[in-house]
Amino acid sequence: TQLLEQSPQFLSIQEGENLTVYCNSSSVFSSLQWYRQEPGEGPVLLVTVVTGGEVKKLKRLTFQFGDARKDSSLHITAAQPGDTGLYLCAGDPFGNEKLTFGTGTRLTIIP
Amino acid sequence: NAGVTQTPKFRILKIGQSMTLQCTQDMNHNYMYWYRQDPGMGLKLIYYSVGAGITDKGEVPNGYNVSRSTTEDFPLRLELAAPSQTSVYFCASSSGALAYGYTFGSGTRLTVV
Repeated sequence: TQLLEQSPQFLSIQEGENLTVYCNSSSVFSSLQWYRQEPGEGPVLLVTVVTGGEVKKLKRLTFQFGDARKDSSLHITAAQPGDTGLYLCAGDPFGNEKLTFGTGTRLTIIP
Repeated sequence: NAGVTQTPKFRILKIGQSMTLQCTQDMNHNYMYWYRQDPGMGLKLIYYSVGAGITDKGEVPNGYNVSRSTTEDFPLRLELAAPSQTSVYFCASSSGALAYGYTFGSGTRLTVV
């Protein structure tokens, strides 16, 4: 059973387009995190969202935490080739400082 | 600032061989973790540690062992390697405050043939 489901699994779009990826669960999370992973490297933290309904912006990236704290989304405006990578959401469903990771969305931005 | 350092970066093992994946961090983090990443499966927790001398199993511990004799080091031991252990292994550390997230190493790509 996958606690965190991400969609889509793969996404390939042209430079300049907008996109949204989703992270969904039936469990409630005290917080959710988003990471980006590039080939040959470990994941790197992008953001942590804590409050239901919270919206955080990081330049062209907008992160939202669902009101019920069961889901999150990542929206990228005017995608650039540098946004290419594997995007992972992660949460601590049991409050024991151990992150559970989603299956990931592999994003490719075509110049 | 090195962060989390993993060695080796690549390794090929024959079935039945053993090896140790090394992980060290220089951030004085109490929490350390080992994950494996299989294609399309995200990251699965193998073992974790909340401090020197304390370790516990994660989601997929079978076939692995760990030790934590110092705050800095958290090696992962594979005994009797099997093809199912072919994967990319990541070590991570954290201060315990989830808001700051995990710091990951760059991974070890292991192939068992």
